[in-house]
This record gives sequence, structure tokens and C-alpha cells, in this order.
Amino acid sequence: QKEVEQNSGPLSVPEGAIASLNCTYSDRGSQSFFWYRQYSGKSPELIMFIYSNGDKEDGRFTAQLNKASQYVSLLIRDSQPSDSATYLCAVNANSGTYKYIFGTGTRLKVLA
Amino acid sequence: KAGVTQTPRYLIKTRGQQVTLSCSPISGHRSVSWYQQTPGQGLQFLFEYFSETQRNKGNFPGRFSGRQFSNSRSEMNVSTLELGDSALYLCASTFGDRGGEKLFFGSGTQLSVL
Repeated sequence: QKEVEQNSGPLSVPEGAIASLNCTYSDRGSQSFFWYRQYSGKSPELIMFIYSNGDKEDGRFTAQLNKASQYVSLLIRDSQPSDSATYLCAVNANSGTYKYIFGTGTRLKVLA
Repeated sequence: KAGVTQTPRYLIKTRGQQVTLSCSPISGHRSVSWYQQTPGQGLQFLFEYFSETQRNKGNFPGRFSGRQFSNSRSEMNVSTLELGDSALYLCASTFGDRGGEKLFFGSGTQLSVL
């Protein structure tokens, strides 16, 4: 069973701090990794994707991938109350399968 | 550019009935995937269609079915509804011509089975 694991939280951080969200996956063949943000009652919204080992930065967001450790993380710098949401990690197992495995999400609360 | 459109937004059905949900992908996208989201299980993959063909299928019973039309619009059908089918059903689209593409989700259909 291919799995994607996330801590369900809630992860509470003060406004302006760095929020660190983590995700592990079981399938070593996984090649594409995504972070989605989902506000309560809304659909998931893509915020970051990463394909290669290392870091990828986009504004206040940094995705980090370590394929050897089967670990992907998302850092949110200068966290804002509007960042309070559930963050979903998704993994595409093999190029061409078009089947994405999602973690159950980490709920982030940014305290003003 | 219009996003992924799902209809209806909300549905209330009773056990034993059947339901059809509709999804129109982003223009130019030929792959449509369906996911079921529940509080306990998170997002679970139902199936994926590309050019009117089911390319991948998740671990759901045969009561769950789908199809895709030549204009890439997709429908999913759930027959003989059960209480456990109550969930948010999400449709996502991509270009679909290579793996690892970004999924773009619609607003979802919230199905309640009474």
C-alpha cells in the first residue's frame, strides 16, 4: 500500500514565525511532489510543486525534497493568519500513472 | 481562463438512490480525475480519464463509475447510495500528456446521503 503520511496537527505558530510542515512517502519510485492548501469548505489549491532533490522557493514558501529519506517539507516564512488552513501533501508515484496519493493533511493555525 | 467547473455544488440523496456528478475541465486539459474527500480518510483517488478512456482506477466498489466525453467533460455516477458515500467529491484536471503534472481542482460537489 503506497502511503503518504502527515502529522494531522493542529500546528500552531505565532504570526511572523516560520511554519514547518512535513510529509513522508513510502514509494521510492515517486517522482513528483505537491503541496496543496485547503481552506475549510473550499477545494485544494496548489501552492508548490517540486520534482528534484533540494529546495525550491516561491515567495514566502519553500519546498524541500529529500528522495533518499523519502521526505518532503514545506516552510512558510513570515506566517500570516490567512495562512491558517489544512496543507495537503500529494505524491505522483510514477510518471505517466496520473494517480496521485494524498496525505490526510496538517492543520495549521497562525495566531495573531 | 475558466477553471474546473463542477455541478451541482450540493446534493442531498437518500440511501439506495443514484447520483450523477458533472465536471468540466480547464480548456485544453484532456485528463480528468475524481477524488472522494472525507474527514477520516482524506482525499482518495477514484479514477482518471484521458481522451474518453479510463486510464487509472482506485479501490472503490463498482457502484462508482465514470465516463468522459469527446469534449473532455466528465461525469461520475454512484449507484445504490450508502450512508458512507457522504463526502466531498472533487474533480481535477491536467493536460494529461505526461506524468507528474499539477492537478487543478474544481470547487467540489458536497454529497449528503440520508
